[in-house]
Amino acid sequence: DGGITQSPKYLFRKEGQNVTLSCEQNLNHDAMYWYRQDPGQGLRLIYYSQIVNDFQKGDIAEGYSVSREKKESFPLTVTSAQKNPTAFYLCASRDYRDRGGTDTQYFGPGTRLTVL
Amino acid sequence: GQQLNQSPQSMFIQEGEDVSMNCTSSSIFNTWLWYKQDPGEGPVLLIALYKAGELTSNGRLTAQFGITRKDSFLNISASIPSDVGIYFCAGRTSGSARQLTFGSGTQLTVLP
Repeated sequence: DGGITQSPKYLFRKEGQNVTLSCEQNLNHDAMYWYRQDPGQGLRLIYYSQIVNDFQKGDIAEGYSVSREKKESFPLTVTSAQKNPTAFYLCASRDYRDRGGTDTQYFGPGTRLTVL
Repeated sequence: GQQLNQSPQSMFIQEGEDVSMNCTSSSIFNTWLWYKQDPGEGPVLLIALYKAGELTSNGRLTAQFGITRKDSFLNISASIPSDVGIYFCAGRTSGSARQLTFGSGTQLTVLP
């Protein structure tokens, strides 16, 4: 089956520790994204990558880092510098076909990170 | 920056009723997307719109891309309990790979 997978579903970490959230897609999409969602709020962009070995900061990149060594994978590291890391993290990829007139974005199931 | 106003923020309706929600933007969008999010899950794409005036249906859901390209609405007909969730609109300007601009969401509750 094609899709976006995120792991783990739930993650607990102690204050001061770095933690890496996994995101994998087998949809052959070029662009991938990380969002943060807080209770009762919309989605805020952390980082995005349009192509392998390239990524750009979103609106709330401070305290986060990413890598894009493979097209299929876009892991997000939440560092100890992130002041309030407890949130629901969503990964997404963009399905863009210029000639097909398609421009959609699909989300993974999310990872809920709790800092103890 | 771009802003999307989504309304209403929440709705309580009786099962079987029709629902309407909308989004308005300060900017012109070339793509409108509507998502539904269940608690603890990622948003699921419901409908994608690409042309001004376009009206698209997906089962009991109908969405329209406004003529001005600054607004979109989503209608749900004959609501059922599984329609409960948060509905988000999202818009993208032409050629923008950076991100979608998201509405703040409409929390829908369907009462039996």
